[in-house]
Amino acid sequence: AQSVTQLGSHVSVSEGALVLLRCNYSSSVPPYLFWYVQYPNQGLQLLLKYTTGATLVKGINGFEAEFKKSETSFHLTKPSAHMSDAAEYFCAVSEAGANSKLTFGKGITLSVRP
Amino acid sequence: DAGITQSPRHKVTETGTPVTLRCHQTENHRYMYWYRQDPGHGLRLIHYSYGVKDTDKGEVSDGYSVSRSKTEDFLLTLESATSSQTSVYFCAISESGQPQHFGDGTRLSIL
Repeated sequence: AQSVTQLGSHVSVSEGALVLLRCNYSSSVPPYLFWYVQYPNQGLQLLLKYTTGATLVKGINGFEAEFKKSETSFHLTKPSAHMSDAAEYFCAVSEAGANSKLTFGKGITLSVRP
Repeated sequence: DAGITQSPRHKVTETGTPVTLRCHQTENHRYMYWYRQDPGHGLRLIHYSYGVKDTDKGEVSDGYSVSRSKTEDFLLTLESATSSQTSVYFCAISESGQPQHFGDGTRLSIL
């Protein structure tokens, strides 16, 4: 069985500050890992994904994440927060394979202070 | 987004009534999914489809059924709606299983 832990439900940063959203996963096989963003009243949008290869993954809107197998982590970072980054962020894990299911964390809300 | 249309976008109904939500895609993707989103739970998989007439249960399938008679349409039915099924429902599609692309959701209230 696979699972995702996103500690805390809310993170607040100042505009221009570093954004760090934590994600730890549990999987019995090598995982595929994803970060999604959800803006109010919208669906989820894929930010970035890790499947195989380079462990540092770059996504849209200046976000990146690093897969650390030894720490079972896939934390999301952005060097400088922008007001438009305020949203809910979900980490998700799946196993390799077409019929594998996506398991989501509970999500974390990012607020950006002016 | 990604050629996915969910209908209706909002619905209010009463306990005990049947409800059908529709997901329509224009991408010709093989895989389609239904999730529900509830505060503190993230998204949880209800049912998914890996082809026409091929469906399987997800994590929270009790009280829900699905049908897929055409590649482009995936229907989610609540046979007899209960208040615990009040939620936001999302459809997702995928060409190969991962990644998944999501629709804008249906907000369902059951009174």
